[in-house]
Amino acid sequence: DTAVSQTPKYLVTQMGNDKSIKCEQNLGHDTMYWYKQDSKKFLKIMFSYNNKELIINETVPNRFSPKSPDKAHLNLHINSLELGDSAVYFCASSPTSGRAVETQYFGPGTRLLVL
Amino acid sequence: DAKTTQPTSMDCAEGRAANLPCNHSTISGNEYVYWYRQIHSQGPQYIIHGLKNNETNEMASLIITEDRKSSTLILPHATLRDTAVYYCIVMLGWNTGTASKLTFGTGTRLQVTL
Repeated sequence: DTAVSQTPKYLVTQMGNDKSIKCEQNLGHDTMYWYKQDSKKFLKIMFSYNNKELIINETVPNRFSPKSPDKAHLNLHINSLELGDSAVYFCASSPTSGRAVETQYFGPGTRLLVL
Repeated sequence: DAKTTQPTSMDCAEGRAANLPCNHSTISGNEYVYWYRQIHSQGPQYIIHGLKNNETNEMASLIITEDRKSSTLILPHATLRDTAVYYCIVMLGWNTGTASKLTFGTGTRLQVTL
């Protein structure tokens, strides 16, 4: 049983294209995240949604637009793809139970290559 | 969030304890210390977290110094499957009203060998 799943696992596309990455969690969590890991392996948060509401929006180009149709899903749409968008994108989720700290559970990643 | 400093890499023999240090000298009183790891080609995995007291779970132990300026993650009996990049992260908890935002540094690459 996959807790946090992402599709596709690999995505190869041309510059200028528009693509979407999907994320689903079956943990019943309220909060979901998107992270980007670049070629130098730096892992940075991009967005966070809590109960379908955007709560974290780091300095990310407008070409990136997250969408949360429901609490279990957080998709990432990327317009006009650029070479620098090539990276591994990780989805994560965490509960919001009111406790002081919450563990984040990560998906397996989507490897995006822009040619 | 306070920054952390970790050694770039460490080696450990299989079956021995792996002790991974982390400095966080600018940590504030309400910031927690988290440890995550990332095995090659996988997503990060939570290991353990603590505030002041030492913590232990089925994966590891976390030793936090009394002044909270540094901590050590201990894998008591390292196996080859523990080979990964280990990240020490300092972060405010939810009860401070801030969103839970993990800021990953460069981490320590632990190589467990036979």
